[in-house]
Amino acid sequence: GAVVSQHPSWVICKSGTSVKIECRSLDFQATTMFWYRQFPKQSLMLMATSNEGSKATYEQGVEKDKFLINHASLTLSTLTVTSAHPEDSSFYICSASLTSMEQFFGPGTRLTVL
Amino acid sequence: AQSVTQPDIHITVSEGASLELRCNYSYGATPYLFWYVQSPGQGLQLLLKYFSGDTLVQGIKGFEAEFKRSQSSFNLRKPSVHWSDAAEYFCAVGGNDYKLSFGAGTTVTVRA
Repeated sequence: GAVVSQHPSWVICKSGTSVKIECRSLDFQATTMFWYRQFPKQSLMLMATSNEGSKATYEQGVEKDKFLINHASLTLSTLTVTSAHPEDSSFYICSASLTSMEQFFGPGTRLTVL
Repeated sequence: AQSVTQPDIHITVSEGASLELRCNYSYGATPYLFWYVQSPGQGLQLLLKYFSGDTLVQGIKGFEAEFKRSQSSFNLRKPSVHWSDAAEYFCAVGGNDYKLSFGAGTTVTVRA
C-alpha cells in the first residue's frame, strides 16, 4: 500500500515552454502533497506544500508564478514549470501524506530544459 | 525550524563489514525522525522511522537506528553490509507542521 506515482518519469523540453508533472496517490487519499527539488549530488529541498482544494504554500525563495501547483483532488497534484529555462533542469520529487507525519514518495521526474 | 546534519559525505565500507551513518538534528520539541535510501535516478525508500516509544528502531533490509535525545542524534546502523546497500542515504526530521527537512545525504560505497 501507500504507492505514489509520478508522470512523466523524464521529460526534455525547449527553453520557454511549460511542462506539467503529475503526482498521484494510487491507493490512498492524500490530504497533503509536497513537491521537492533535488539537484545532482544534493539533498531534497522542499518547494511547496499543497492541500486538496486550497492554494499551495510555497517555501521562501520559490517563485509561485513559475512553479504552479494544483491539488485538484485527494489523489492528484500537478506541478507546472512555466516558461522553463535550463536552470530549471532538476529532479522533481513529490510525496503524499494522510494525516500522519509519514510521507510517501514518488519515483521522481527528471526535467531537462534545452 | 528544524534542521539535520549528516557529517559524513561519503563512506566506503567492505562487503560484510558493519556500517554506521551519523545524523544529528535540531528541533525544539520531540522530533519525528526518518532514514531514507535513494538509488541513482530513483525516488526515496523509507528505511525506518521514529515517532515515539522504544528508542531503538528496526527497519527494512536489516537496518536499525537509535534515537538519543541527549545527543540529538539518530544514527543508522547495519551489522553486515551487502553490495546492494550502495546508495545515497538521507536522514530527515519532521515537526508538527508535517514538513520534512533533509540532511545533505551520505553516499555509501561498498567494495568487494
